[in-house]
Amino acid sequence: GENVGLHLPTLSVQEGDNSIINCAYSNSASDYFIWYKQESGKGPQFIIDIRSNMDKRQGQRVTVLLNKTVKHLSLQIAATQPGDSAVYFCAENNAGNMLTFGGGTRLMVKP
Amino acid sequence: KAGVTQTPRYLIKTRGQQVTLSCSPISGHRSVSWYQQTPGQGLQFLFEYFSETQRNKGNFPGRFSGRQFSNSRSEMNVSTLELGDSALYLCASSPLGGSSYEQYFGPGTRLTVT
Repeated sequence: GENVGLHLPTLSVQEGDNSIINCAYSNSASDYFIWYKQESGKGPQFIIDIRSNMDKRQGQRVTVLLNKTVKHLSLQIAATQPGDSAVYFCAENNAGNMLTFGGGTRLMVKP
Repeated sequence: KAGVTQTPRYLIKTRGQQVTLSCSPISGHRSVSWYQQTPGQGLQFLFEYFSETQRNKGNFPGRFSGRQFSNSRSEMNVSTLELGDSALYLCASSPLGGSSYEQYFGPGTRLTVT
């Protein structure tokens, strides 16, 4: 996949446990944030988004937390499953439709 | 709805050649963005098109260009290919491009320059 060879931070969790993936963003003017999941050989897949006027948003098994004070974003995955194994990227929107992506975190789920 | 489609999926070119990649957005989506993904640099924004006009441009040399057609389909072109252009090129579409920033990605075109 495209992330082979890239030294990504790796989070290894046991199936059924909760996962927390963190991301620091750079631009305090960014008004919209997205988490993407990328599996090997595929394009990034939208997971959940949050606008800067919110600090928490929940989806199905996922929660995104936004702390604007320290420019930090986190993705929580409940009851992590083997199918959640992938690389996760946070992205910030700070100019129209231009996304700036973080470096990514590899999530490995042990059965 | 069908997702974002990109053609070709794989491409091998030689240094100095030029290449054109194609992207068909989700039906009804008018904004198309292009990204380059490499192991060393990660995902980087190339440009965005909306209503056949380039609205945003990333920090890439002029060898990288694009266009959008009236049916919202988009192409990107890379001229005088360099080895460092080897990458996965991703296209993403958005519904309106104005207040909606939700972007949906295609599977990408893997370009190898030899």
